[in-house]
Amino acid sequence: QVQLVQSGAEVKKPGASVKVSCKASGYTFTSYDINWVRQATGQGLEWMGWMNPNSGNTGYAQKFQGRVTMTRNTSISTAYMELSSLRSEDTAVYYCARGTGDYVDYWGQGTLVTVSS
Amino acid sequence: SYELTQPPSVSVSPGQTARITCSGDALPKKYAYWYQQKSGQAPVLVIYEDSKRPSGIPERFSGSSSGTMATLTISGAQVEDEADYYCYSTDSSGNHNVFGTGTKVTVL
Repeated sequence: QVQLVQSGAEVKKPGASVKVSCKASGYTFTSYDINWVRQATGQGLEWMGWMNPNSGNTGYAQKFQGRVTMTRNTSISTAYMELSSLRSEDTAVYYCARGTGDYVDYWGQGTLVTVSS
Repeated sequence: SYELTQPPSVSVSPGQTARITCSGDALPKKYAYWYQQKSGQAPVLVIYEDSKRPSGIPERFSGSSSGTMATLTISGAQVEDEADYYCYSTDSSGNHNVFGTGTKVTVL
């Protein structure tokens, strides 16, 4: 069965960077995009961007341009999302999700990133 | 930036029909998708391509789209349908995806 397993919770100081991993199993990793979505406590879902694991091509939401980098290691079927210059407003649960072009179908369990001094 | 607008909340009695709207300028040309998110859980796809239901999703969930508005309908809402619901689509360029503002559905 399709599974996306994310790395554990992180606590970072303002100005630092965080890198979250997402290990895929149960399907061919390079056949589907990986999207990243975040959700602050009590807030809505926010789409951050996508990556094509086959080509490495990416597309980022304008809000995150210049601060987010999405990469992958196809040998271990793992995608990564790195967010830099963290601020308190970046405290949120970060999800990876498998994309089928226009939408996402399977989601990871989420990774809580807390930004605090 | 592109936005999808939903009502903040919808309340319905058990067995009644709940309708959640999603408004966006690109919806006449782009599909809408709907996700259900229960407290503390990852979202689950309940409708794709405006009106199609994934396997395992109860028949009481249906979707439609007309003009700049997409609608998710829960016919005969159950207590277990209490959740946040988000529409999802892309802008006219197809390059930037977005979630709707979200609707909290209360069944009581």
